[in-house]
Amino acid sequence: NAGVTQTPKFQVLKTGQSMTLQCAQDMNHNSMYWYRQDPGMGLRLIYYSASEGTTDKGEVPNGYNVSRLNKREFSLRLESAAPSQTSVYFCASRLSGGSGNTIYFGEGSWLTVV
Amino acid sequence: DAKTTQPTSMDCAEGRAANLPCNHSTISGNEYVYWYRQIHSQGPQYIIHGLKNNETNEMASLIITEDRKSSTLILPHATLRDTAVYYCIVRVFGNYGGSQGNLIFGKGTKLSVKP
Repeated sequence: NAGVTQTPKFQVLKTGQSMTLQCAQDMNHNSMYWYRQDPGMGLRLIYYSASEGTTDKGEVPNGYNVSRLNKREFSLRLESAAPSQTSVYFCASRLSGGSGNTIYFGEGSWLTVV
Repeated sequence: DAKTTQPTSMDCAEGRAANLPCNHSTISGNEYVYWYRQIHSQGPQYIIHGLKNNETNEMASLIITEDRKSSTLILPHATLRDTAVYYCIVRVFGNYGGSQGNLIFGKGTKLSVKP
């Protein structure tokens, strides 16, 4: 029972480089989310996707793009990485409807931009 | 969303009950109380949620006061593996998509379970 799977788990980038964080869920959930968490802080929403084919900005979208490839997969792309994007990134998913707001999280991706 | 207030940190002896308080004095009638925890930078883990009645599952119990302005998460027999940051969140329950289904995380309570 994999749940929400993120790759890679660790990544070091140089300023200006690009990369994509991959996320997949096997729970047939409709909504998917990307969060970031800086040291000592709570999670902040970057982008979300309410359903396949739709994406919208969250609280801190600048510097990021997303793609909801299909119902299972939701990727986060950094086009030109900056040191301020050094953070832990969490992907999450939720079944819209009967289970309400129970959100399930992946294990996180640690990104360092030097 | 109603704001929540939690203590920054708490200690608990292993094997004893851990009682984590949360104040949410501005909670609306249709807002639920959710608890999540985060163990050492792992992804947050859902624990329990409730509206007004007390709730219990295999992980914890949730006690909500009659006026719903505060609640307590109870871990009945804390173990060292329960050391984590615990987040109390209030949110509307419903068939919301997208950002309306988002949970807003504060800084939570760091629970340290000691031998």
